[in-house]
Order: sequence, then C-alpha cells, then structure tokens
Amino acid sequence: NAGVTQTPKFRVLKTGQSMTLLCAQDMNHEYMYWYRQDPGMGLRLIHYSVGEGTTAKGEVPDGYNVSRLKKQNFLLGLESAAPSQTSVYFCASNGINYGYTFGSGTRLTVV
Amino acid sequence: AQSVTQLDSQVPVFEEAPVELRCNYSSSVSVYLFWYVQYPNQGLQLLLKYLSGSTLVESINGFEAEFNKSQTSFHLRKPSVHISDTAEYFCAVRGVRHGSGNTGKLIFGQGTTLQVKP
Repeated sequence: NAGVTQTPKFRVLKTGQSMTLLCAQDMNHEYMYWYRQDPGMGLRLIHYSVGEGTTAKGEVPDGYNVSRLKKQNFLLGLESAAPSQTSVYFCASNGINYGYTFGSGTRLTVV
Repeated sequence: AQSVTQLDSQVPVFEEAPVELRCNYSSSVSVYLFWYVQYPNQGLQLLLKYLSGSTLVESINGFEAEFNKSQTSFHLRKPSVHISDTAEYFCAVRGVRHGSGNTGKLIFGQGTTLQVKP
C-alpha cells in the first residue's frame, strides 16, 4: 500500500516556465488537497477536491490550477512560474473523519 | 472558519527534560484536533488526534495532548525527550463533519521547531 505518491521530488524551473505536479493515492479517498510549506508560515492550502471532477480554491490559489479527472489523481499546475512559488509542495488525501495522509513532498525552486 | 496559533516558533530543550508545545485554536463549530510531526527533509506524519471521548490522547512514542475546550487549547507534552524527537511539530484543526458542506479542510498552525540538545 503506497499511500500518497508525489512526483517529481525535486525540480528547478526558470521564471515563466510551466510544470505539473502529480499526486496519486491508492486508498480510494474522496478528498485531496495541495498545500505549500514556507518557513515560518506552516502549511497553506492552495486548492482542494472533494471528489472526482471537482476542485475548489484554498487559501493561496493564485498562480496555480488543478484538475481531478480521476479519483486517484490530483494534478497541480503552474502555468508561468514565478520566484514567489519557490516552496515545498505537499499533497494529502483524506477518506473519512481523520487526519490526512501526506505525500513526501516536492521541492520546487524557481530561478 | 477555524484558525490555529502555535505560541512558540522554537523550543530548545535538553535531552531527558520535559517539554510542552503550545497550541490554541479558534472555531465557531466543534472541532477535531491533530498534531503532526515533520522530521528534516520528510513529509508530515500524524502524531496523535482528538476526535471525541477522552480529552487526553497519547501517541505510541510517549507524546500526549489534552483537549481543553474552555481554553480552546491542545498542548502537546512529553515527560522526557530524546535527541530523535528533534523535528518540527504542527498543530492542526478541522471542523466536525456536518452535512455535505464540510470539505474536511485542515487548518495548520505555523509550526514549532523542537530542538533537543545532548
């Protein structure tokens, strides 16, 4: 049982480039989330999904887009990367009334 | 809406000493409460959670937290810390599920770095 898998683990982008982060879960969870983690700011919610085909904005959605075409996958896209998007990105999923299962993170640097 | 405040950004402590990491929350509805631990260069792992029932919850590695509704707190404690407990600790809150409008969003505090010194 792999849980939540994020790819890639590391990436360096140039300003203006685009990329997609992939999150896959094998627990049949309905809810999935993308967070970013920055020093001294904890984790902030970017976007989330309450089921296949649904997405919603979180706390800091600007500059990001998401898609949930399949229940097990939740994609986070950066259309035109900016240095302010340098961060560690975490995906999580949640089945019922308990805490999340997190992926191991993607460390993104935008230069 | 919910919010979480972790009152200390860093807590230095000597090995085998007791420690308390403080967490306060605000919410207009009943809540579930969580503590997560993040070791260097790793993801977040669930340490313990309060859903209902006994207000004192324990983890398998000696941590405990007490839900205090009147003080809206969920402080994390350990009577004797080890070097291996050095990590960042996050307190988190979510609203109790009520109907289809609950999205299960976890709101995190800013994190507390526990530094255990030999």
